[in-house]
Amino acid sequence: EPEVTQTPSHQVTQMGQEVILRCVPISNHLYFYWYRQILGQKVEFLVSFYNNEISEKSEIFDDQFSVERPDGSNFTLKIRSTKLEDSAMYFCASGSAGTAQETQYFGPGTRLLVL
Amino acid sequence: AQSVTQPDIHITVSEGASLELRCNYPYGATPYLFWYVQSPGQGLQLLLKYFSGDTLVQGIKGFEAEFKRSQSSFNLRKPSVHWSDAAEYFCAVGLRGQLTFGSGTQLTVLP
Repeated sequence: EPEVTQTPSHQVTQMGQEVILRCVPISNHLYFYWYRQILGQKVEFLVSFYNNEISEKSEIFDDQFSVERPDGSNFTLKIRSTKLEDSAMYFCASGSAGTAQETQYFGPGTRLLVL
Repeated sequence: AQSVTQPDIHITVSEGASLELRCNYPYGATPYLFWYVQSPGQGLQLLLKYFSGDTLVQGIKGFEAEFKRSQSSFNLRKPSVHWSDAAEYFCAVGLRGQLTFGSGTQLTVLP
């Protein structure tokens, strides 16, 4: 069964450093998403991406964040200058339809720790 | 902001007992509803979803959920819990292609 994969599984970085989180969505999916879960809090939507453009973004997704699909398989989330409060689990998801009722398939997550 | 409510932060049941996890949503129109499960170190796995039609939906691993419009609820149920069901369960609402999650319910299963 196809699945979403994410690398690395864990990342530790210093405050102010740039990090890139990588995701390989399910191959025939066209809609891609990033969510994050701060420890002990809800899973929160960050951004959705379709046709090489951001479709929706939350207020969390400020200028420090960017997303890219650099090739036909990868989908990345970049945090330009990490802050302590960026420490969280980051989940990538993909879907085939981009509608409210579609199933989004989630990866296992990348746990980011900013020191 | 619209939010999904899971009133129970932590539930403990004995193996073989029945389970009900509560979820409430504040929307007036019928939303698109999902239950996901997260095991330790794993991603979010879809258990079941509701869009329209029959208000009782069946999912994987023996789970089911019932949509009750009058109560704005979408509670998850399982008649007999297995030790492997210990995990965190999230209710979510789909809106404009993004999911809004509840805060989750941690399930502990006693032997």
